[in-house]
Amino acid sequence: GEDVEQSLFLSVREGDSSVINCTYTDSSSTYLYWYKQEPGAGLQLLTYIFSNMDMKQDQRLTVLLNKKDKHLSLRIADTQTGDSAIYFCAESYTGNQFYFGTGTSLTVIP
Amino acid sequence: DADVTQTPRNRITKTGKRIMLECSQTKGHDRMYWYRQDPGLGLRLIYYSFDVKDINKGEISDGYSVSRQAQAKFSLSLESAIPNQTALYFCATSDGFGRGTNIQYFGAGTRLSVL
Repeated sequence: GEDVEQSLFLSVREGDSSVINCTYTDSSSTYLYWYKQEPGAGLQLLTYIFSNMDMKQDQRLTVLLNKKDKHLSLRIADTQTGDSAIYFCAESYTGNQFYFGTGTSLTVIP
Repeated sequence: DADVTQTPRNRITKTGKRIMLECSQTKGHDRMYWYRQDPGLGLRLIYYSFDVKDINKGEISDGYSVSRQAQAKFSLSLESAIPNQTALYFCATSDGFGRGTNIQYFGAGTRLSVL
């Protein structure tokens, strides 16, 4: 399968911004996604970006896509304790399969 | 009610037993998927189905089988469970690119322990 890589852990203080990074290998990705997994729950879609976009903003979330470097990031502004979770990036192309990253566990320190 | 329902939520079984995990969805999607999640490995695709007559192996299908009983139902079986199949299993559905953005919708997961 494709390699979608993320760092495993990130800690931030409440009120600071969090930036979660992801690198992927398939340059033909059509959509790239960010999912959030809270303890004991399945994955929920946070946001997605089409591959011909550079940036997408949705309230506290900003997604940046650098296609040249195959780098995707998720910025969470004013991080709250409720943002503590595992965040997965994923890519999809040809419409057939998804490839998920390993997940980044975000811990928000009060 | 959840759009994607998995049963059971938790299961403990013994090596060599046959286990079935069930998934049903009310989203009306044709595409359904089974993943397993292991710490540090993310989600890995076991099987996927694009309609009742279309079943495909994913990245890690060995030791697993599936059945698509209807558009809304997709079950995963472990014919003879082994301890390294201990994991969190997720079912997901999607609408595909033809109708949308291929966003996947997940069930709450089944935690399986094989002793």
